[in-house]
Amino acid sequence: GAGVSQSPSNKVTEKGKDVELRCDPISGHTALYWYRQSLGQGLEFLIYFQGNSAPDKSGLPSDRFSAERTGGSVSTLTIQRTQQEDSAVYLCASSSGAGGRQPQHFGDGTRLSIL
Amino acid sequence: AQTVTQSQPEMSVQEAETVTLSCTYDTSESDYYLFWYKQPPSRQMILVIRQEAYKQQNATENRFSVNFQKAAKSFSLKISDSQLGDAAMYFCAYRDNAGNMLTFGGGTRLMVKP
Repeated sequence: GAGVSQSPSNKVTEKGKDVELRCDPISGHTALYWYRQSLGQGLEFLIYFQGNSAPDKSGLPSDRFSAERTGGSVSTLTIQRTQQEDSAVYLCASSSGAGGRQPQHFGDGTRLSIL
Repeated sequence: AQTVTQSQPEMSVQEAETVTLSCTYDTSESDYYLFWYKQPPSRQMILVIRQEAYKQQNATENRFSVNFQKAAKSFSLKISDSQLGDAAMYFCAYRDNAGNMLTFGGGTRLMVKP
């Protein structure tokens, strides 16, 4: 597609449920990033993929969070046993390569609300 | 660790006027990149302008320009001839040359008055 696509746009779920958030990067972009945007914490880095491997998972807040990327394209962020503090907008970005020079292009995000 | 600070939570500008948004950062690196992103209510982060730290010349993109002061670790965004469509959250972001993640400031909400 022309841009980074994320689905669903909005997700409301009950505390304790598992959720999956999807990101479809710009075609040909090898690098993919997940960020979380919440009222109290601002924008936080979660995880970075280069191809299908994740050399940097340093931002994942707990072992309830995991992510995978298949075929060097689509990525899924999974949150298990959701908690209310997981409520946030989850943003995905992609870039044509790693390194500081390549700008990151963002999707519209998924707004996750935990009841 | 790198930090990015935006000291103005909110700014207001009259349509057609000029406004400057402030950003300071802290790093021990010499080679890095700085960005300004715009986030309208649609949530998408839109890249406004980018500056390479090794370049002395300030970046310019149409009505948007930056004042990059490397020694002072300052990176302000100037918006000239402000338009109603410029109203959004603006985030300053840092990325070092070897790194992958963006480190964001807390954001500045810009309001444009007609």
